[in-house]
Amino acid sequence: TQLLEQSPQFLSIQEGENLTVYCNSSSVFSSLQWYRQEPGEGPVLLVTVVTGGEVKKLKRLTFQFGDARKDSSLHITAAQPGDTGLYLCAGAQGGSEKLVFGKGTKLTVNP
Amino acid sequence: GAVVSQHPSRVICKSGTSVKIECRSLDFQATTMFWYRQFPKQSLMLMATSNEGSKATYEQGVEKDKFLINHASLTLSTLTVTSAHPEDSSFYICSARDRAGDIYNEQFFGPGTRLTVL
Repeated sequence: TQLLEQSPQFLSIQEGENLTVYCNSSSVFSSLQWYRQEPGEGPVLLVTVVTGGEVKKLKRLTFQFGDARKDSSLHITAAQPGDTGLYLCAGAQGGSEKLVFGKGTKLTVNP
Repeated sequence: GAVVSQHPSRVICKSGTSVKIECRSLDFQATTMFWYRQFPKQSLMLMATSNEGSKATYEQGVEKDKFLINHASLTLSTLTVTSAHPEDSSFYICSARDRAGDIYNEQFFGPGTRLTVL
């Protein structure tokens, strides 16, 4: 069973549109990270959320951590072709050093 | 800050040979480094956790004698794929945790190494 469910798995939109990616679990996470990965490169950390209900903004990207710390969302406003990539959510549980990764959302923004 | 490098970025080798991949934290000390494998269009699969000065902890199903990990210093971990076979061809990515001030389990990733075994 996948501990972190990401949806949608694939998303293809036009430049200027808004979108939301979801990361859901039945488990509680002490922290959750969002990464963006481009083909042939390693993931790049976008944000870490740690407090239930927390909202963080990074330019056109808005990240939210659920009140119960079981889910998170990434909202992109006015998407641009440069936003194209694989978006991964990853959670840390309790005292474990390991991160649990979602399967990722492959976003394509067409000009 | 928090830059992780990997070398080589690409390697092509013949079946049966061994390949070493280096992972370095450039501007911070990493007590713990992680090695992942990523198949095309898939997410990251954790192979092992590498702790400086101690033996690596391997995930279930990962052969420790085939994927040798050495974490000799706070800035360097190496993964050696021994007697590589075509099925070992993959994208290998390392990550590192910043020793100082990390309370959120943030991992910083290297750029990855594309291994192709002929």
